[in-house]
Amino acid sequence: NAGVTQTPKFRILKIGQSMTLQCTQDMNHNYMYWYRQDPGMGLKLIYYSVGAGITDKGEVPNGYNVSRSTTEDFPLRLELAAPSQTSVYFCASSPGGAQYFGPGTRLTVT
Amino acid sequence: DQQVKQNSPSLSVQEGRISILNCDYTNSMFDYFLWYKKYPAEGPTFLISISSIKDKNEDGRFTVFLNKSAKHLSLHIVPSQPGDSAVYFCAASARFSGETSGSRLTFGEGTQLTVNP
Repeated sequence: NAGVTQTPKFRILKIGQSMTLQCTQDMNHNYMYWYRQDPGMGLKLIYYSVGAGITDKGEVPNGYNVSRSTTEDFPLRLELAAPSQTSVYFCASSPGGAQYFGPGTRLTVT
Repeated sequence: DQQVKQNSPSLSVQEGRISILNCDYTNSMFDYFLWYKKYPAEGPTFLISISSIKDKNEDGRFTVFLNKSAKHLSLHIVPSQPGDSAVYFCAASARFSGETSGSRLTFGEGTQLTVNP
């Protein structure tokens, strides 16, 4: 049982490039979430999903897209990367209640 | 609009003593509260939670207290150990609201706890 896995661990993007952050969970959780954490700040919710085929915006969705075609996977897409998207990104899943987090992806946009 | 606030960015305690981390919230719809611990370069780890029908929940060295009238919760760690040194986040949700958005967590900014040997 690997829990929540995220790839890649680190990535450097140039301004205007695109990429997909991958997130997979093997706990059969219905709920999945994407957060970003900026230095000295708490976690801000980008998007979340309450089940396959259902997604909704969080607090800071601009510049991001998501899809949820399966229970296990919840990829986060960055189109036209900007320096403001430099952050650490965490994926989480939940059966309802407590959320369980992956190890994070550190993204730098230069 | 910071709905969950941790006013102390850092806290330093001696090994063996009590650590008390505080959190305030403003949204009266919140009915479920959690504490997470985060080590550098790792994801947050769930520690303990409490629903609004209780005022205390205990798990080993960790106890969470909820004061609904003051919209305040605290995490007590007794006794504190050097391995407890980490950033602690409190989080809240309207879990029992009946809406799917109730699964969302709102996080505080975190408190860096340092336990000195």
